[in-house]
Amino acid sequence: DTGVSQNPRHKITKRGQNVTFRCDPISEHNRLYWYRQTLGQGPEFLTYFQNEAQLEKSRLLSDRFSAERPKGSFSTLEIQRTEQGDSAMYLCASRPPFRGAGTGELFFGEGSRLTVL
Amino acid sequence: SQQGEEDPQALSIQEGENATMNCSYKTSINNLQWYRQNSGRGLVHLILIRSNEREKHSGRLRVTLDTSKKSSSLLITASRAADTASYFCATDKAAGNKLTFGGGTRVLVKP
Repeated sequence: DTGVSQNPRHKITKRGQNVTFRCDPISEHNRLYWYRQTLGQGPEFLTYFQNEAQLEKSRLLSDRFSAERPKGSFSTLEIQRTEQGDSAMYLCASRPPFRGAGTGELFFGEGSRLTVL
Repeated sequence: SQQGEEDPQALSIQEGENATMNCSYKTSINNLQWYRQNSGRGLVHLILIRSNEREKHSGRLRVTLDTSKKSSSLLITASRAADTASYFCATDKAAGNKLTFGGGTRVLVKP
């Protein structure tokens, strides 16, 4: 399978614990995105990387959230001192290098569902 | 914040009928995309329409874009039970950067 892979698919944790999610993008995709989605809502942008550089971060990404993409391959999203409001689906997507205005679809993984008790 | 607003929020139709959903957005865009999401799964890209295009077709899908009204519509013809899903529009303001998604339309196709 050469799609976007996310692990773990489900995570249940207690409030105050740290959690880390991993995303493995499609191999030739240089851009990687993290989104958060709560029940019944659309995905909300968190951050994105071009290669290893983090180019944009949303205001939603508080100090408790950190994302990395060492070596421009896989990425991790860590949430420290989790709160119940962090419960959501965390979606990763990747995108190939820009090739013009008619391109630009995102390829999503299946998501990592976080439940904070 | 979410750039797009979908209308209606939910839609229930019989198999074989057409489903139409609309998306409005606020700022100028480079392109607009539609995605489908089955319950508990990731999003799947359906179709992309550039800002200089007015209509595009892909199989049973028809997308229109009216940049003067900042709106788009997605039509699914001859719907099937397998089309039951949430549909999201997403805008790309500057090609190559982030996509901003709307709140989605939840479509139920009854057999």
